[in-house]
Amino acid sequence: NAGVTQTPKFRVLKTGQSMTLLCAQDMNHEYMYWYRQDPGMGLRLIHYSVGEGTTAKGEVPDGYNVSRLKKQNFLLGLESAAPSQTSVYFCASSYHLIQPQHFGDGTRLSIL
Amino acid sequence: DAKTTQPNSMESNEEEPVHLPCNHSTISGTDYIHWYRQLPSQGPEYVIHGLTSNVNNRMASLAIAEDRKSSTLILHRATLRDAAVYYCILRDYINTGKLIFGQGTTLQVKP
Repeated sequence: NAGVTQTPKFRVLKTGQSMTLLCAQDMNHEYMYWYRQDPGMGLRLIHYSVGEGTTAKGEVPDGYNVSRLKKQNFLLGLESAAPSQTSVYFCASSYHLIQPQHFGDGTRLSIL
Repeated sequence: DAKTTQPNSMESNEEEPVHLPCNHSTISGTDYIHWYRQLPSQGPEYVIHGLTSNVNNRMASLAIAEDRKSSTLILHRATLRDAAVYYCILRDYINTGKLIFGQGTTLQVKP
C-alpha cells in the first residue's frame, strides 16, 4: 500500500517555465489537498478537491492551477514559475471530511 | 478561523513523558482539536484528535480542558524518533475540513 505518492521529488526550474506536480493516492480517498511549506513555517493550503471533477481555492491559490480528472490523482500546475514559488509542496488526502489527512513526502521545488 | 498558540520549542529526555501544551481560546463548538507531527524531511503525520473528552491511541494521549480553551498532547515515553515539529490544529468540519497549520512546537529529545 503506497499511500500518497508525489512526483517528482525534486525539481529546479527557471523563471517563466511551467511544470506539473503529480499526486497519486491508492486509498480511494474523496478529498485531496495541495499545501506549500516555506522554511521555518507551517503548511499553507493552495487548492483542494472534495471529489473527482471538483476543485476549490485555498489560502494561497495565486499562480497555481489544479485538476482532478481521476479520483486517485490531483495535479498542481505552475503556468509561469516565479522565484517566490520556491518551496516544498505537500499533497494530502482523506477519505472523509472528518478523517485524518495522509501526506506524501513532498516535492522540493527551486525556481531560479 | 480559530487560532492556536504553542511554545516554539521544548526539550525532553529520552524515556521520560512529554507534555506539549496548546492554547485555543477562540475555539468554536464545531472545532475538533487535531495534532500532527512532522519529522525532518517528511510530510506531516497524524497523531491524534478529539472534541471534548480525553483520547488515547497507540502514539499518544490528548487531554482537553473542560472549557476546551486549551489541550495537551502527552507522549508517555519519549524516544529519539519522537523529535519533530508538533502542530496543534483546530479543524473546521463545517466547510472544507482543511488544516490550518501554525508554526508548531519543535521537540528535541536528548539521549
